[in-house]
Amino acid sequence: QDQLVQSGGEVKKPGAAVKVSCKASGHTFTNYGFTWVRQAPGQGLDYMGWSSAHNGYTIYAQKYQDRVTMTTDTSTSTAYMELRSLRSDDTAVYYCARGTSVAGPFDSWGQGTLVTVSS
Amino acid sequence: QSALTQPPSASGSPGQSVTISCTGTSSDVGANNYVSWYQQHPGKAPKLMISGVSKRPSGVPDRFSGSKSGNTASLTVSGLQAEDEADYYCSSYAASSGYVFGTGTKVTVL
Repeated sequence: QDQLVQSGGEVKKPGAAVKVSCKASGHTFTNYGFTWVRQAPGQGLDYMGWSSAHNGYTIYAQKYQDRVTMTTDTSTSTAYMELRSLRSDDTAVYYCARGTSVAGPFDSWGQGTLVTVSS
Repeated sequence: QSALTQPPSASGSPGQSVTISCTGTSSDVGANNYVSWYQQHPGKAPKLMISGVSKRPSGVPDRFSGSKSGNTASLTVSGLQAEDEADYYCSSYAASSGYVFGTGTKVTVL
């Protein structure tokens, strides 16, 4: 059964970094890539970028390009998203989602990880 | 990359149909057929409902259908049921920036 299980919620101070993990099971990890999407409280979905588990190709949304790094670890079937220089407006639920292409669609989603940025 | 434009809300009575529009540009919706729709219930992760403009993944009821004309895509939910009450987001691939989501539409079943 395809499943993406994300790491638990985090509380961070402004200026810190957070790294969220997304462990995949039930499918061949290297056949897919992973997108990261965030959702601030009461807001819509915001695309952050994509990382391929097949060849390591990554693409980031321009607004996050300077602060985000997305990676995949084929030995543990886990995707990671690190966001640095956190601000209060980075408080959001962060989702990973699986797709076979950077163009989508994304057919399996993690449960979400709440990241709270507060002093 | 600006978000795709959706109406904030839509509603219908049980059994009726509701159609949600999703307006982009010639750089995203109008440029390819990588248009998808996602359903999100409160506190839950999004769920893929339509891919490739009009394809339904396995398990999605055929009450859900998608279409596209020019820079505007549409999602129609026929025979509305109580469980269809949710937020719906369109999305499109944009070669210059990767991916873009719509602003979201809250569907209410009256």
